This record gives sequence, C-alpha cells and structure tokens, in this order.
Amino acid sequence: AQSVTQPDIHITVSEGASLELRCNYSYGATPYLFWYVQSPGQGLQLLLKYFSGDTLVQGIKGFEAEFKRSQSSFNLRKPSVHWSDAAEYFCAVGPYNNNDMRFGAGTRLTVKP
Amino acid sequence: GAGVSQTPSNKVTEKGKYVELRCDPISGHTALYWYRQSLGQGPEFLIYFQGTGAADDSGLPNDRFFAVRPEGSVSTLKIQRTERGDSAVYLCASSLSSTGNEQFFGPGTRLTVL
Repeated sequence: AQSVTQPDIHITVSEGASLELRCNYSYGATPYLFWYVQSPGQGLQLLLKYFSGDTLVQGIKGFEAEFKRSQSSFNLRKPSVHWSDAAEYFCAVGPYNNNDMRFGAGTRLTVKP
Repeated sequence: GAGVSQTPSNKVTEKGKYVELRCDPISGHTALYWYRQSLGQGPEFLIYFQGTGAADDSGLPNDRFFAVRPEGSVSTLKIQRTERGDSAVYLCASSLSSTGNEQFFGPGTRLTVL
C-alpha cells in the first residue's frame, strides 16, 4: 500500500536560512510525487510535482525537490526562507491517474525573524 | 477565473443530524475529489468523480457518507447521523482530468459535530 512519511512535525528556521523538509514514501509502482503548501484559512496549493524525467524539480516560490528512488525520498528545499513561507507543508504520492493520493501528516514551518 | 469554492465555510451541527457540504469545482474540470483532514493530519482521500459517476469511493469511511455529482459539475457530500468523530475539515479538489493533472483545492468546510 502506498504511504507517505514526513518525519518532522515542526521545523523552525531563521529568515534567510536554508530549508529542507523531508519526505519518504512507500509505493509499489512508479510514484507521482507532490509537495503542497497550506496557509491558515487557505486551500492547499501545489508547489511542485514529479513523475518522470529530471529528478530535480523546480517549483513555485523558489522551492525545489529532488527525487531519490534509492532512498524513496522526495525532499523539499529552499535556499533562503522568507517570513511568508511559514505554513504547513504536505508531501503526497499517488498513481498517475490521480485518484488515490496519499498525503503525509505534514510539517509545520515557523520562520523566525 | 474562479477557483474551487466550498460552502459553507463552517458548519456546526449536533450529533445525529444530517449535513450536506457543497463543492463548486473549476469550470471545465471533469475530475472532482473529496478529502477529509483531521486536526494534525494530512488530507485523507474519500471519493473521486470522473464526470457524473463516482469512479472510486473506496475512501468513504462507512455508509453514513455519500456523495453525488448529478450534472458533472457541483458535488455534494452528504453525511447522515453525524458523529463527533466526523468533525474535521472537508476538502474538495478538481482537476482538468483524472490523469496527470494538478488538483486544485478549495478552502474547505470545517465541520464540528457537538
């Protein structure tokens, strides 16, 4: 069965510092991987996705993620965090036909001034 | 253009009551999804529509939950005999089609069962 693990429940970083949010997945076939961000009172917004091709994926808001099949990981990174990046981040995995996406429990990001 | 909208934004009900939650997808999106997000958790898949039909309802927790999409656009999630454990945020998403396309999420309906 497919599943997603986000090991870090809460991360605090200083504004301007680099960020890496971890995501490990379990999936029997070629995974379709996503990172979403959820701000308070807002819907989930897609940051980036990966299905095939270059394993380093660029997304919106300066985020990138790297797919590592050998480690079953899809970690999200940003070189310099802004205060507006404070939010909840969710990693998700699903089949290409999109009908049964599984989300991780999320990582809450706090940005210190 | 307008995004996915959900009404009401908040719903408070008493245990045992019936509730309906509405989702208006993005115009032209044929695929529609319902998720439930409990506190401190990620969204949990409930049901997925392709057009008017429920293509996959394997995530519905029990037969108190039902969803319809009669004209292939607006969808309603119906919960009968609500229980306190049903309290959660119910999210709706739509996508252009079910294959390889981004899901766009609505802001959710927060359901509280007293």
